Amino acid sequence: NAGVTQTPKFQVLKTGQSMTLQCAQDMNHNSMYWYRQDPGMGLRLIYYSASEGTTDKGEVPNGYNVSRLNKREFSLRLESAAPSQTSVYFCASKRRDASLGNEQFFGPGTRLTVL
Amino acid sequence: AQRVTQPEKLLSVFKGAPVELKCNYSYSGSPELFWYVQYSRQRLQLLLRHISRESIKGFTADLNKGETSFHLKKPFAQEEDSAMYYCALSWGGGSNYKLTFGKGTLLTVNP
Repeated sequence: NAGVTQTPKFQVLKTGQSMTLQCAQDMNHNSMYWYRQDPGMGLRLIYYSASEGTTDKGEVPNGYNVSRLNKREFSLRLESAAPSQTSVYFCASKRRDASLGNEQFFGPGTRLTVL
Repeated sequence: AQRVTQPEKLLSVFKGAPVELKCNYSYSGSPELFWYVQYSRQRLQLLLRHISRESIKGFTADLNKGETSFHLKKPFAQEEDSAMYYCALSWGGGSNYKLTFGKGTLLTVNP
């Protein structure tokens, strides 16, 4: 199993450009999450999808959109990138059965720079 | 509202010394807590979860509901323990579980 995978690993954008970050998991997990990681801020939840067909805002959703394409894939889109969106983005997933624990499994991250 | 506090941004110890990374939480429900570790420029990896009461890589953490704490401890630090450590609280219900993270503690173990 590859676990949680993300593409691309690195990206440089100019202000105003758009892009989509891709995430996929092969663990048959129901829930998927997008976080951003900034120095001194820890990880902050952008959006999440509790199950296929549903998405909800997290703590910092402004400037982002998401799509839960199917059970495996959850994408994050920046429609008009801003320098404040320079960050490392992590995707995560969680199994459905809470009795087994609610830990999340993380992807390797996408390092995004907006000039 | 739920909150996780890690009071130390940076922690530096010498190899072989004991180490304790502090974590305090605020949550009105029954807490489920985790420690995640992130080695330089890598993904977050689960280190410990309180419900397992296990020891991983020599680390332990005990949930103290009275003090609302979940401190991470290791009796003898190793250089390979140098990393960023995040405490996280799981909250929600049904299919809507989320994690709230502390801001992290960067541990440096000096030779």
